[in-house]
Amino acid sequence: SAVISQKPSRDICQRGTSLTIQCQVDSQVTMMFWYRQQPGQSLTLIATANQGSEATYESGFVIDKFPISRPNLTFSTLTVSNMSPEDSSIYLCSVEEAGASTDTQYFGPGTRLTVL
Amino acid sequence: QQQVKQSPQSLIVQKGGISIINCAYENTAFDYFPWYQQFPGKGPALLIAIRPDVSEKKEGRFTISFNKSAKQFSLHIMDSQPGDSATYFCAASIAGYSTLTFGKGTMLLVSP
Repeated sequence: SAVISQKPSRDICQRGTSLTIQCQVDSQVTMMFWYRQQPGQSLTLIATANQGSEATYESGFVIDKFPISRPNLTFSTLTVSNMSPEDSSIYLCSVEEAGASTDTQYFGPGTRLTVL
Repeated sequence: QQQVKQSPQSLIVQKGGISIINCAYENTAFDYFPWYQQFPGKGPALLIAIRPDVSEKKEGRFTISFNKSAKQFSLHIMDSQPGDSATYFCAASIAGYSTLTFGKGTMLLVSP
C-alpha cells in the first residue's frame, strides 16, 4: 500500500489564523481525500481532490473555509481558514491507489490541530 | 441520517476472548465494507474488507461476517490480545463512487 505522510503532525494556532496541511504520497494516486475527525468521533469526509480538477466538497464544507490544492498525483494541501476553536480536530488525508481494487483507501497519520 | 450504525460504542474483552463488533447499513447500494483499526495518535489502518458476494472473510485472527438480507456485517477478533486495544471503524461504499461512509467507532479494550 502507498506510504502517506502529513505535515505538520500537530499544531496549536490562534483564532482567526489559517493553517495549511500537506499530504505527500510515495506513489502516484488518482484520488485523494481529506477527512476531519473531531475528538473521540468518527471520520467525516471534507472533500475529494482529483489532480487537474476542482475539489468536490461534501455538504457542510465550503471552499472558502477549506481550500484544497492538488498540483500533481503525489501531493495535496488542505488549508483551514479563519480558524475558530470549533476547527480543533484531527485532519486526515487518504488515497485510493491507482489500479488497486475499487474503493480501497489508505490513510495518512493525521494532523492534530488545536485552535485557541 | 446515519447510514452505517455501529455497536457497541465500547467493549472490554479478556485476553484470549472473542471481540465482536456489529454494523448495520441502510443503503442497499453499498457493496464494499471495510474495517479500519485506529490507535491513539495514528491514522486509521485498513484491517480487512468484504464484498457482498461472500458471507465471510478471514485474515488471521480477524473475520468479517456478512449478512446481505439483514444488511448487517460484523468483525470478529479471535484470541483477542492487549495489542488489539484500539478504536475500530466499519465503513461502507458504493463501487465506483469511492466515498466511504463510516460508523461511529468502537473503542476496544483487551484486558491482560
